[in-house]
Amino acid sequence: AQTVTQSQPEMSVQEAETVTLSCTYDTSESDYYLFWYKQPPSRQMILVIRQEAYKQQNATENRFSVNFQKAAKSFSLKISDSQLGDAAMYFCACLPQGGSEKLVFGKGTKLTVNP
Amino acid sequence: KAGVTQTPRYLIKTRGQQVTLSCSPISGHRSVSWYQQTPGQGLQFLFEYFSETQRNKGNFPGRFSGRQFSNSRSEMNVSTLELGDSALYLCASSSQTVSLSTEAFFGQGTRLTVV
Repeated sequence: AQTVTQSQPEMSVQEAETVTLSCTYDTSESDYYLFWYKQPPSRQMILVIRQEAYKQQNATENRFSVNFQKAAKSFSLKISDSQLGDAAMYFCACLPQGGSEKLVFGKGTKLTVNP
Repeated sequence: KAGVTQTPRYLIKTRGQQVTLSCSPISGHRSVSWYQQTPGQGLQFLFEYFSETQRNKGNFPGRFSGRQFSNSRSEMNVSTLELGDSALYLCASSSQTVSLSTEAFFGQGTRLTVV
């Protein structure tokens, strides 16, 4: 069984500053993907960034980057130059490979961006 | 390309009734997954369909069922509704092949309230 833990229920950041959201996971699978999803008040889950476990290089998408520590089973999200539109719930998720789209989500972190 | 469409957006039902939710995936996507989101339990996997076959099922009672049609559209049904079934139901589609999982694209969800 897989588990995903987000230890920060809420975080806040000043506009233009940098914030890091934490995530740890546990899986017995050797091949898996990790994701960060954003859910604004509109409820639509939007993919922010993804990381293939077999890749050592950390994924980046514009202002978003991850720190993937496979041995420690840690997958944190760094948001640089935070913008008001970044305010949302952020969910970390794990997807084991093997032919089934069964995402396991963390409980989420509510990010507030202060002007 | 149209996104994942879920209908209806909102539903109010009475305890004991049944309800059917619909999900139209992105054109060409063959995998459709369903998730239940509640404040207490977070996001929980319900089931996944691929080419009209249920490939995986979460830990939910038999009152929760689903199906997928030949055009990949999916429905989920909840019978004998309970107050605890009140939740946001999210549908996700992906373009995976039989063995390769890819990112999931989510719809905006159906907000079900049971009174």
